[in-house]
Amino acid sequence: EDQVTQSPEALRLQEGESSSLNCSYTVSGLRGLFWYRQDPGKGPEFLFTLYSAGEEKEKERLKATLTKKESFLHITAPKPEDSATYLCAVQGGSNYQLIWGAGTKLIIKP
Amino acid sequence: GAGVSQSPSNKVTEKGKDVELRCDPISGHTALYWYRQRLGQGLEFLIYFQGNSAPDKSGLPSDRFSAERTGESVSTLTIQRTQQEDSAVYLCASSWVGEGTEAFFGQGTRLTVV
Repeated sequence: EDQVTQSPEALRLQEGESSSLNCSYTVSGLRGLFWYRQDPGKGPEFLFTLYSAGEEKEKERLKATLTKKESFLHITAPKPEDSATYLCAVQGGSNYQLIWGAGTKLIIKP
Repeated sequence: GAGVSQSPSNKVTEKGKDVELRCDPISGHTALYWYRQRLGQGLEFLIYFQGNSAPDKSGLPSDRFSAERTGESVSTLTIQRTQQEDSAVYLCASSWVGEGTEAFFGQGTRLTVV
């Protein structure tokens, strides 16, 4: 069964303290892995798509990496405005549906 | 439009009433998804449309929930005889159909059943 697990559930960091969020997945035939950011009261906002193991993508203080079993979202020197819930989803199998993780709530303290 | 549009943005209804939630996807997007998100929770899949057909309705929680899509554009999610446990944010997303195509979300409809 296709499955996505994100850890930790919540992460509190001081401003400038770098860390990583994890997304572990089990899917038959990965077509893509997606990272989204969700702010309170808003719909998820697309960040990255990764297609194959070894791929990396960067945007400002965020860098996403992918292996055959998991993806990491690395955040470097975060700022309070990076506080949000980060969601991971995979697309695979015989259809194009998205399988979602439960998210990691990231809180950056000034 | 430029993005996914959902209406209304907020809806308060009395228990037992029917409600209709609307989603206007990005023009040309053939895939459309409905999700439910309870406060502090993750995304709960409801239904997936590919064009006008719904190959996966497995997420609809009960027969009080139904959805349709016309003309590969607008979709309507209908909840009949609403219950308090239906209170949540209902999110719609759309995408191209294909490998590795990201989905774009609307801002959601916050439904409160009183």
